[in-house]
Amino acid sequence: NAGVTQTPKFRILKIGQSMTLQCAQDMNHNYMYWYRQDPGMGLKLIYYSVGAGITDKGEVPNGYNVSRSTTEDFPLRLELAAPSQTSVYFCASRPGTSGTFLELFFGEGSRLTVL
Amino acid sequence: LAKTTQPISMDSYEGQEVNITCSHNNIATNDYITWYQQFPSQGPRFIIQGYKTKVTNEVASLFIPADRKSSTLSLPRVSLSDTAVYYCLVGYSNDYKLSFGAGTTVTVRA
Repeated sequence: NAGVTQTPKFRILKIGQSMTLQCAQDMNHNYMYWYRQDPGMGLKLIYYSVGAGITDKGEVPNGYNVSRSTTEDFPLRLELAAPSQTSVYFCASRPGTSGTFLELFFGEGSRLTVL
Repeated sequence: LAKTTQPISMDSYEGQEVNITCSHNNIATNDYITWYQQFPSQGPRFIIQGYKTKVTNEVASLFIPADRKSSTLSLPRVSLSDTAVYYCLVGYSNDYKLSFGAGTTVTVRA
């Protein structure tokens, strides 16, 4: 039972480079999220999606883009990487409207360093 | 999503009970209260969800008073492995934009 899978786990980027963080879930969840967490801080919502083809901005969307072409996948694109984007990125999903509907399932995180 | 307020940090010793209170004065009628636990270098993990009175599972208990303007997460007989950040989240199924606050850092000492 894979749950939420994030790749890569670690990545070092140079300033100005671009990359995509991959996120996939196999639980048929409608809602998916991307968060970033800076050292010693709480989680900040970057983008979220309520279903295939539907995405919206969170608290800190600048410098990022997302797409949701399938229920399973929710990649996060970093364009023109900056040192301020050095962080740990977490992808999460939740079923939405039944049971413990506020239960988010998180991936293991992707640690990104921009030098 | 209701605004929540938690203590920044709490210290405890092994074997003690730890109680973390979350204030959510503007909780809506349909809102539920959820708690998460996050260990270093890991994503948060769902602990418990409740609507009113008391909910208990194998990890923790959640106490919610009648006015629902606050809630208390109770961790019985903590061990060193309970050292983590604990987040309170209040909302409903239609709250798409789920944001976390700073959480409460609980440090358990031997």
